[in-house]
Amino acid sequence: DVKVTQSSRYLVKRTGEKVFLECVQDMDHENMFWYRQDPGLGLRLIYFSYDVKMKEKGDIPEGYSVSREKKERFSLILESASTNQTSMYLCASSLHQGGGYTFGSGTRLTVV
Amino acid sequence: SQQGEEDPQALSIQEGENATMNCSYKTSINNLQWYRQNSGRGLVHLILIRSNEREKHSGRLRVTLDTSKKSSSLLITASRAADTASYFCATEGNTGFQKLVFGTGTRLLVSP
Repeated sequence: DVKVTQSSRYLVKRTGEKVFLECVQDMDHENMFWYRQDPGLGLRLIYFSYDVKMKEKGDIPEGYSVSREKKERFSLILESASTNQTSMYLCASSLHQGGGYTFGSGTRLTVV
Repeated sequence: SQQGEEDPQALSIQEGENATMNCSYKTSINNLQWYRQNSGRGLVHLILIRSNEREKHSGRLRVTLDTSKKSSSLLITASRAADTASYFCATEGNTGFQKLVFGTGTRLLVSP
């Protein structure tokens, strides 16, 4: 089975810190995605990547950046964490367009 | 950009009963997918139905798609307590990079 691994389940960071969320998939998937999930708002796409070193903005990219230096790893970076970035962050990957996504277990980030 | 809207937002049933969740969306799609999320965890892909399909089955799951009404339904037959989770529909558009857009989900509680 494809596995998507997010490095941390829970994370607490201070306002203004630079935060790195790591995601690794082990099945050579082309596409990777970062979503955030908030109560009542569902999942919202932050950034996605369809190839190494390629990245595209999703619906809510402000305050975030990403890095995909290797095919299996997609990192989400909070340049200067703010309290409104407290959320559940979900990484996903897919082999190709038109298929299902495999999600990681999520990282619950709290910014204090 | 929220695409899918699930209905109801919450559903409470007894074990053995059937559970039906509905999803409406706004734009043309390539496919519609249903995912399940156990509390505080990542999403798990359940089933995918393409725009040229009307009905699909997988075990106790039955999904229908009506593209003329831009709606889908997920039926879980003979529910079990272990089916307690949130269920999300997600649509893949047919323009540009075909990324998934998720709805806000239906919370299903199955009581023993």
